[in-house]
Amino acid sequence: DTEVTQTPKHLVMGMTNKKSLKCEQHMGHRAMYWYKQKAKKPPELMFVYSYEKLSINESVPSRFSPECPNSSLLNLHLHALQPEDSALYLCASSQDLNGGYTFGSGTRLTVV
Amino acid sequence: ILNVEQSPQSLHVQEGDSTNFTCSFPSSNFYALHWYRWETAKSPEALFVMTLNGDEKKKGRISATLNTKEGYSYLYIKGSQPEDSATYLCASFHNTDKLIFGTGTRLQVFP
Repeated sequence: DTEVTQTPKHLVMGMTNKKSLKCEQHMGHRAMYWYKQKAKKPPELMFVYSYEKLSINESVPSRFSPECPNSSLLNLHLHALQPEDSALYLCASSQDLNGGYTFGSGTRLTVV
Repeated sequence: ILNVEQSPQSLHVQEGDSTNFTCSFPSSNFYALHWYRWETAKSPEALFVMTLNGDEKKKGRISATLNTKEGYSYLYIKGSQPEDSATYLCASFHNTDKLIFGTGTRLQVFP
């Protein structure tokens, strides 16, 4: 298995909802990442997990809460989001912090 | 603030043409330069990871070079095909443990 699987592919949520984005990989990669991408902008790093521990939090608002239950799974819990949080959320993994990344196809999030 | 820039933003070429794009990145505390190919509705796919000044890598008709002293990388596509149409992203990795992406070059190859 050489893929990163993200679910759901699309999500529409209200500003008072709580939802979660899921990311899964079975390549034995020890680093996992959340990126946010808005139209015509580069992907922006949100969080980095290395060996299941949060190693980088790019000053992301607390309404985004990451979780790494085990080495294969990475979640992003969403609560009280704003319309400006609408974006494509990409998950990626790599063997280590220096290697090429394997990306999922993303979750297209719309906050209404 | 680390800034990675790519040019051109978009490019339209005829099938069979060869083309190239540029990625500029900060040369200080440099570790690695990544190139990704991103087709619409698919995942970004890693093309190359380069670390050493003067590195050249090749994958089929696509090749890349790296100049870490002046902070740039070129991606070349020889004999472009319609299936090469995609956004090509570069990203640089410095001693911050963060991979910083450029905005990409959108390539459209017309038959």
